Amino acid sequence: GNSVTQMEGPVTLSEEAFLTINCTYTATGYPSLFWYVQYPGEGLQLLLKATKADDKGSNKGFEATYRKETTSFHLEKGSVQVSDSAVYFCALSDFNTGKLIFGQGTTLQVKP
Amino acid sequence: DTAVSQTPKYLVTQMGNDKSIKCEQNLGHDTMYWYKQDSKKFLKIMFSYNNKELIINETVPNRFSPKSPDKAHLNLHINSLELGDSAVYFCASSQDRAGRNEQFFGPGTRLTVL
Repeated sequence: GNSVTQMEGPVTLSEEAFLTINCTYTATGYPSLFWYVQYPGEGLQLLLKATKADDKGSNKGFEATYRKETTSFHLEKGSVQVSDSAVYFCALSDFNTGKLIFGQGTTLQVKP
Repeated sequence: DTAVSQTPKYLVTQMGNDKSIKCEQNLGHDTMYWYKQDSKKFLKIMFSYNNKELIINETVPNRFSPKSPDKAHLNLHINSLELGDSAVYFCASSQDRAGRNEQFFGPGTRLTVL
């Protein structure tokens, strides 16, 4: 079945450091891929998405590229801020039902 | 205006009780979902409705029953609550059931079963 694997957290970085959170997936067909972010005490918000191979999603300085050959969708940001501290979820969606399958989440803590 | 709202935000109850969580979206979306987030933050789909029709029913105990009176509302009723039901429950909606669409999440309902 479909699945998503994310790197284990927590990830602790200093402000302005480079961020990479690895995400790989297993899927049949052509899923869309997403990164959602969850700030403390809140629901999830879409950070970025890509709907086909080689698409790059980007938002707020974050970006990720849909790599079919390596079944990956790694999240990157060149310079993190304290306000980026949150839990990040990689997810894929079922083509027909829209059902999201999430990775286990990666907690990011950015220190000043 | 809140796009996806849930009530209540917190729910503390005793084992064996029956409780409901309500969800409403004002985005005009056709599809709504319920997800469960456990204590380790892991998120799993429970149910999905498209235009009031059930389209996803994961392996959830039949003590959980979703109800969609109209396409803007998807409520979750839980009978005979158990300790293991303690979690955060998120409602979400999307324009339609196509996988490429973003899902909009509510703020969550933290259920604690004592």
